[in-house]
Amino acid sequence: AQSVTQPDIHITVSEGASLELRCNYSYGATPYLFWYVQSPGQGLQLLLKYFSGDTLVQGIKGFEAEFKRSQSSFNLRKPSVHWSDAAEYFCAVGAPSGNQFYFGTGTSLTVIP
Amino acid sequence: GAGVSQSPSNKVTEKGKDVELRCDPISGHTALYWYRQSLGQGLEFLIYFQGNSAPDKSGLPSDRFSAERTGGSVSTLTIQRTQQEDSAVYLCASSLGGTVYEQYFGPGTRLTVT
Repeated sequence: AQSVTQPDIHITVSEGASLELRCNYSYGATPYLFWYVQSPGQGLQLLLKYFSGDTLVQGIKGFEAEFKRSQSSFNLRKPSVHWSDAAEYFCAVGAPSGNQFYFGTGTSLTVIP
Repeated sequence: GAGVSQSPSNKVTEKGKDVELRCDPISGHTALYWYRQSLGQGLEFLIYFQGNSAPDKSGLPSDRFSAERTGGSVSTLTIQRTQQEDSAVYLCASSLGGTVYEQYFGPGTRLTVT
């Protein structure tokens, strides 16, 4: 069955520190992978996506993610976190047909001064 | 340009009543999705529309839930005989469709069933 696991429910980092949010997926075919961010009171915004090609993808707001097929992972990283990055982050895998997406339960990020 | 809009933003209803939630997708987007986000949970896929094709209803949790999309644009999600467990944020998203394009999400409708 298709699923997405985000093992960290909540992460706290200091402003300026590096960040890595974990995402593991289970999918029977080539996955189409996404990271979304949901700020308080805001809708979900796409940070980055992986469809094929280079396994290291760059997104908006200085985020990047690396697809590792052998580990079924698509971890999100940022070298230096800003206070405005505090939000909920969701990893998702999409069916190639576009008809279904499977989201993880999210990781809540707190940034401390 | 205009994004995905949803109305109402908040809805409080009594148990047993029917509710209708509306979604206006981005113009030109042929694919439309409904999700449910419960407290502390991820997004639960409900239903998918692509153009004039029959919708994928595989995520609807019960026959109390239904959705329609008129003219390939606006969509309405209807919940009949609401239950307290239906309380959640209902999110709508649209995409260019056809294959796996990124989705653009609306702000959601927060439904509270008392």
